[in-house]
Amino acid sequence: GQSLEQPSEVTAVEGAIVQINCTYQTSGFYGLSWYQQHDGGAPTFLSYNGLDGLEETGRFSSFLSRSDSYGYLLLQELQMKDSASYFCAVRGYNKLIFGAGTRLAVHP
Amino acid sequence: EAEVAQSPRYKITEKSQAVAFWCDPISGHATLYWYRQILGQGPELLVQFQDESVVDDSQLPKDRFSAERLKGVDSTLKIQPAELGDSAMYLCASSPLAGGELFFGEGSRLTVL
Repeated sequence: GQSLEQPSEVTAVEGAIVQINCTYQTSGFYGLSWYQQHDGGAPTFLSYNGLDGLEETGRFSSFLSRSDSYGYLLLQELQMKDSASYFCAVRGYNKLIFGAGTRLAVHP
Repeated sequence: EAEVAQSPRYKITEKSQAVAFWCDPISGHATLYWYRQILGQGPELLVQFQDESVVDDSQLPKDRFSAERLKGVDSTLKIQPAELGDSAMYLCASSPLAGGELFFGEGSRLTVL
């Protein structure tokens, strides 16, 4: 079977840095994706790691360690608009399985 | 910018009634997914199509749910009869490649009374 674990909630202040961790158990692992979802909105793609290491896209970075079955999303210079739910998702053969999501609240 | 279209955005129905949701993926995207998302949880894959063929429907409650993508373009998800536990957001997504980046529609929120 497949399972993903990520914290249910994270709180941070504007301008800070926050890291959202994700651990997974799966067969047929191809990579780890991250999606952002604002309340009432659709999930939108943030990043993908197919190989070990860090991928950087602007204020957001994502990391993967395949040997540890672990990844994280790093958000820098937090802004109020970053308040949303963040989902890690395991890319298996031909499909994507989502975690339960981490709700990030950014305060002034 | 191309988008995944879904309708209706909201649907309220009584239990035991039939419900249908429609999805039009981004043009050229061969892979189409239907996910169900219960409030506060992550999207759960119901069915995945590659062109007009079902690739994965292992989590689809087939006694009441059905999905089709007859011409390999738009798709319909049907529930009959609806149950109280079916209340959720039904998200359609498409991808140019199986397992690749997913582009989601705005979803259809179902409330079963």
